[in-house]
Amino acid sequence: DADVTQTPRNRITKTGKRIMLECSQTKGHDRMYWYRQDPGLGLQLIYYSFDVKDINKGEISDGYSVSRQAQAKFSLSLESAIPNQTALYFCATSDPGTGDTGELFFGEGSRLTVL
Amino acid sequence: AQSVAQPEDQVNVAEGNPLTVKCTYSVSGNPYLFWYVQYPNRGLQFLLKYITGDNLVKGSYGFEAEFNKSQTSFHLKKPSALVSDSALYFCAVRDRTGSARQLTFGSGTQLTVLP
Repeated sequence: DADVTQTPRNRITKTGKRIMLECSQTKGHDRMYWYRQDPGLGLQLIYYSFDVKDINKGEISDGYSVSRQAQAKFSLSLESAIPNQTALYFCATSDPGTGDTGELFFGEGSRLTVL
Repeated sequence: AQSVAQPEDQVNVAEGNPLTVKCTYSVSGNPYLFWYVQYPNRGLQFLLKYITGDNLVKGSYGFEAEFNKSQTSFHLKKPSALVSDSALYFCAVRDRTGSARQLTFGSGTQLTVLP
């Protein structure tokens, strides 16, 4: 089983619908992240959480919200999806205990299409 | 602020030839530097990192990268390319002395190794 699991892997939805992408990890890491990948733009940080009570906005948080239900679970929600939120979304974790370099461990990605 | 530039969107190389994927960075202090690889329909996988010490860093699958502080570069290299090396490569940086608590990624370079 993967250390960082994302569900669903693929989702097609319509404009205005609420969507939740879920991430769970078995690495025991405190820090979790949501990134968005668009062709030619690399990865952009949406939100990050350093523990259950510490949630922070990233570069592109508008239109998104998150919930850290437990150390192992971090969900990303689109309250009212719009077509320009069509992208590949990645969850990642990191462990501050290994020198706190920021090294990330990624899930397999969730491809979201908003029609 | 921290930033990363990957000046080439696409790099093509013949199988067996050496390959180089370029990365330059900007940080206020000293950097942590990373290379990740993404195969089609997969998440990002860690290749190698520079933390401190020897400027030549060796990583997975025969890849290496050289940290050059004066040129603020961290180019990825491999002496002999394989067709299976074809993938999307991302450079990432974190300023170890700054206030940023997460990595910043470049826009990615698509490497194609031609048989």
